[in-house]
Amino acid sequence: DQQVKQNSPSLSVQEGRISILNCDYTNSMFDYFLWYKKYPAEGPTFLISISSIKDKNEDGRFTVFLNKSAKHLSLHIVPSQPGDSAVYFCAASDPRGNEKLTFGTGTRL
Amino acid sequence: DVKVTQSSRYLVKRTGEKVFLECVQDMDHENMFWYRQDPGLGLRLIYFSYDVKMKEKGDIPEGYSVSREKKERFSLILESASTNQTSMYLCASSLSSALNQPQHFGDGTRLSIL
Repeated sequence: DQQVKQNSPSLSVQEGRISILNCDYTNSMFDYFLWYKKYPAEGPTFLISISSIKDKNEDGRFTVFLNKSAKHLSLHIVPSQPGDSAVYFCAASDPRGNEKLTFGTGTRL
Repeated sequence: DVKVTQSSRYLVKRTGEKVFLECVQDMDHENMFWYRQDPGLGLRLIYFSYDVKMKEKGDIPEGYSVSREKKERFSLILESASTNQTSMYLCASSLSSALNQPQHFGDGTRLSIL
């Protein structure tokens, strides 16, 4: 039962354009959402997060949007740069779960 | 900066061997986690610990055990390695369950079971 889904295994974007990575979830108890970036042969690096009390969080070129009614979040990267090429994982936390994270399957940008 | 160190980057073992993967964090974090990453499956939680000597099963604990004797160290044990445990293993730590803190990851151990 995949509670966090990233339906696009890969995405290609031109340098300078906007990259939009999408993530859907099914567990309505999730209250904290994160995006991680992973290069080959390295561990995931925390990128940006958002609490369920917000609908947007911005950090430089990265913005995360949360639509709770649709159970959907997205990561926008503007402008996209060659160094952004990596696998991006979204993750979600259930407050009943002792800080456990449930990860999506990743999108290769 | 948080530093999570995994003892080996690459490891090759034989079927039936007992395998130990070690992880150390230097930021006094309460929570520690072990994941495995496989193509098309994302990161799946094996075990986690929220305090010394405490452990809880994750989503795929079968064939694994863990040990947390000291706060900074969390070990993953493959009791009798099998070929389907060939994978990338990732250790992570986080500060406290009360603060919605992100998990910080080590660079991973790529384990091959022959």
